[in-house]
Amino acid sequence: GAVVSQHPSRVICKSGTSVKIECRSLDFQATTMFWYRQFPKQSLMLMATSNEGSKATYEQGVEKDKFLINHASLTLSTLTVTSAHPEDSSFYICSARDPGSGYTFGSGTRLTVV
Amino acid sequence: GNSVTQMEGPVTLSEEAFLTINCTYTATGYPSLFWYVQYPGEGLQLLLKATKADDKGSNKGFEATYRKETTSFHLEKGSVQVSDSAVYFCALSLINAGGTSYGKLTFGQGTILTVHP
Repeated sequence: GAVVSQHPSRVICKSGTSVKIECRSLDFQATTMFWYRQFPKQSLMLMATSNEGSKATYEQGVEKDKFLINHASLTLSTLTVTSAHPEDSSFYICSARDPGSGYTFGSGTRLTVV
Repeated sequence: GNSVTQMEGPVTLSEEAFLTINCTYTATGYPSLFWYVQYPGEGLQLLLKATKADDKGSNKGFEATYRKETTSFHLEKGSVQVSDSAVYFCALSLINAGGTSYGKLTFGQGTILTVHP
């Protein structure tokens, strides 16, 4: 089946630094990927929709300059959290639209900003 | 707009008990419906789905039937196991007019299931 690989699985960074999270579709081409944020014991909040070769579409209230999304190829989308602060600490999950089940999710990235 | 409402948890059951997690939805079109499962510290895995009214999705002993008349997609399992302990999310998406592409997912709030031996 379709597989989406997300790296790193967890990262700790200092306040003020930037962190890049990668999401790769391993055995299919993903023209559309989605980035979610999940707070403890809560549901997933869609941050943005990433389309290959074009600008991402951000959900209302999500700072596009804070959360930079790049989808430069059909198998890779990246989310960069710029100038991270402790309030950005969260679980970030990507998913890709695949031709089979509809969506395949990455395993998530636990970001901790200290 | 589109929305998904799940029964509040957490749900705690003994092994081999019957499980029901209620899910209802509102949608402006004809949605596809999904159940996802999330184990601790992991992403989401598709458990089952249904794309039209009266469809029944099933997988690993779990079932859910797309009920258009009640706008529901309740998840059931006849005999739960300790390994079923996880968070379960109901979700919907609308497909495009050609039926070839899914839009973004709208999730319910999630239900934590804990199964004791």
